[in-house]
Amino acid sequence: GAVVSQHPSRVICKSGTSVKIECRSLDFQATTMFWYRQFPKQSLMLMATSNEGSKATYEQGVEKDKFLINHASLTLSTLTVTSAHPEDSSFYICSAREDSDYEQYFGPGTRLTVT
Amino acid sequence: GQNIDQPTEMTATEGAIVQINCTYQTSGFNGLFWYQQHAGEAPTFLSYNVLDGLEEKGRFSSFLSRSKGYSYLLLKELQMKDSASYLCAVLDSNYQLIWGAGTKLIIKP
Repeated sequence: GAVVSQHPSRVICKSGTSVKIECRSLDFQATTMFWYRQFPKQSLMLMATSNEGSKATYEQGVEKDKFLINHASLTLSTLTVTSAHPEDSSFYICSAREDSDYEQYFGPGTRLTVT
Repeated sequence: GQNIDQPTEMTATEGAIVQINCTYQTSGFNGLFWYQQHAGEAPTFLSYNVLDGLEEKGRFSSFLSRSKGYSYLLLKELQMKDSASYLCAVLDSNYQLIWGAGTKLIIKP
């Protein structure tokens, strides 16, 4: 149990375009979902925390107008990278947590390359 | 501030034992996690400690001392596939995960 999927697994887009990444909890209801970014050889960096039905809480330094997060249901959260630039190229990972559990279950990640 | 320290890199030999240490200073404590992350992949859960002591799970064990703000992950009978980064993370008083930078473990034959 506790499977989280992400789509797409890899995406290449041109500078200035927008990209949407989906995160789904397949067999549980995720009251909280987390979005992380990881640059090569660096640790995970939390971007934002989203609770179903409410606005996401962004970490300091993360532009909320650039990284749009929607957590419209208990099984789906989306991250949209707007007006992407090459410096946004990174590995984006989501995780999900049930209300009754402290453990975060990670999706497989999305490799974004902006050309 | 909140801080988690773990070594950047360690090297060990196949078949041997290695201990990866993690020290933490956080605002509150609701448990400590160890995750394994292979290059290019998402982290996978290894262990969760909330009480002092040693938790054993197959070849992997995790130890916690809350009074010392210290944990370690012990890997026995190392295999080449154990080459990965090992991430220590603490759940703080707000139930937010605070992540260490990870320890890259290199296994040599």
